[in-house]
Amino acid sequence: AQKITQTQPGMFVQEKEAVTLDCTYDTSDQSYGLFWYKQPSSGEMIFLIYQGSYDEQNATEGRYSLNFQKARKSANLVISASQLGDSAMYFCAMSAYNQGGKLIFGQGTELSVKP
Amino acid sequence: DADVTQTPRNRITKTGKRIMLECSQTKGHDRMYWYRQDPGLGLRLIYYSFDVKDINKGEISDGYSVSRQAQAKFSLSLESAIPNQTALYFCATSVPLAGDTDTQYFGPGTRLTVL
Repeated sequence: AQKITQTQPGMFVQEKEAVTLDCTYDTSDQSYGLFWYKQPSSGEMIFLIYQGSYDEQNATEGRYSLNFQKARKSANLVISASQLGDSAMYFCAMSAYNQGGKLIFGQGTELSVKP
Repeated sequence: DADVTQTPRNRITKTGKRIMLECSQTKGHDRMYWYRQDPGLGLRLIYYSFDVKDINKGEISDGYSVSRQAQAKFSLSLESAIPNQTALYFCATSVPLAGDTDTQYFGPGTRLTVL
């Protein structure tokens, strides 16, 4: 069975600083993908970044990067130069390559950016 | 126009009522999903469909049914709503990538309250 754990229910960061949101996962699959989604207070789910289990380099998308440590089964999201608009819930999720795209989600981390 | 739309966006209903949540997509994806989000629990998969004739139960399908009327339309029904089905419901679509996993695209969500 697959499992995603996000151990930080809430995080605070000062505007313009970097912040790391933790995500660990458990799976017996060899091939899988890891995702991060952002959910602002309006409720929609916004895709941020993806990392494949065979990707050797960490994924980056603008101010978002994914710190992938396969041996530790961690996939932390790093947001650089935080902005007020980054305040939201952040969800880590995974999908095995043979699972038809079904996502397993963590419980989320609520990030608050202080001015 | 949004690629994945959900109707209604908000609904209040009473215990025992039948209710249908509708999802439409213009992305041309074969795969569609219904998730439920409860506070503190992340998103959980209710049903998923790989094409019009292929529908599968997810993690929490009890009390729900679905209908895939066309490639673009995937409806979720609560035959007899109960208060613990009060939640935020998301529809999502995806397309498999060769040698990789899917990236899912979410609708805006339907907030359902069962009194």
